[in-house]
Amino acid sequence: DAGVIQSPRHEVTEMGQEVTLRCKPISGHNSLFWYRQTMMRGLELLIYFNNNVPIDDSGMPEDRFSAKMPNASFSTLKIQPSEPRDSAVYFCASRQAERLGNNEQFFGPGTRLTVL
Amino acid sequence: GESVGLHLPTLSVQEGDNSIINCAYSNSASDYFIWYKQESGKGPQFIIDIRSNMDKRQGQRVTVLLNKTVKHLSLQIAATQPGDSAVYFCAENGGNRDDKIIFGKGTRLHILP
Repeated sequence: DAGVIQSPRHEVTEMGQEVTLRCKPISGHNSLFWYRQTMMRGLELLIYFNNNVPIDDSGMPEDRFSAKMPNASFSTLKIQPSEPRDSAVYFCASRQAERLGNNEQFFGPGTRLTVL
Repeated sequence: GESVGLHLPTLSVQEGDNSIINCAYSNSASDYFIWYKQESGKGPQFIIDIRSNMDKRQGQRVTVLLNKTVKHLSLQIAATQPGDSAVYFCAENGGNRDDKIIFGKGTRLHILP
């Protein structure tokens, strides 16, 4: 299995531009998570989905952030308009929710976003 | 709010020695804990987990200890190797019955030659 796939790996954009981050979870996993990692705030959960349905988006910073999961094999995190304070590494993770005894989340390699 | 925290941001250990990384948690409702390892430029990777009905669990070269009385969690790495250099995160479920876990700030483990 290729693991969780994220694209792009690096994104540099200017303030005000729209940014779309993409994630392909591990096949067969039915939970998907979006995290943001910064030096100041550490690893923060933004939103997660179970069976393509958003369950908890309380970590989404503001209305500029939105996430979708149109099917079991694809999710996007969109920032519109982007701001310099959005600069961070964004991780996607997936998990097989019905698996008993283990809450292991498998993380992708991350997308390093820089907003100038 | 309640959070998971770490005592030391950086730990330096001689190669071959044992490493102990500590974590304090404050949410008494948490009953599931996980340790993750994050190498430079990569996403976090699961190491080991433990539920609150246990106080010790062992894996390959790693042991997690849980002390619910003082809300303390530790990760012990035996015979530390250069490949163990990474940032280590403890995470808790906050008593949540869903998939949500809360990560601590992380401790950087530095291996001395």
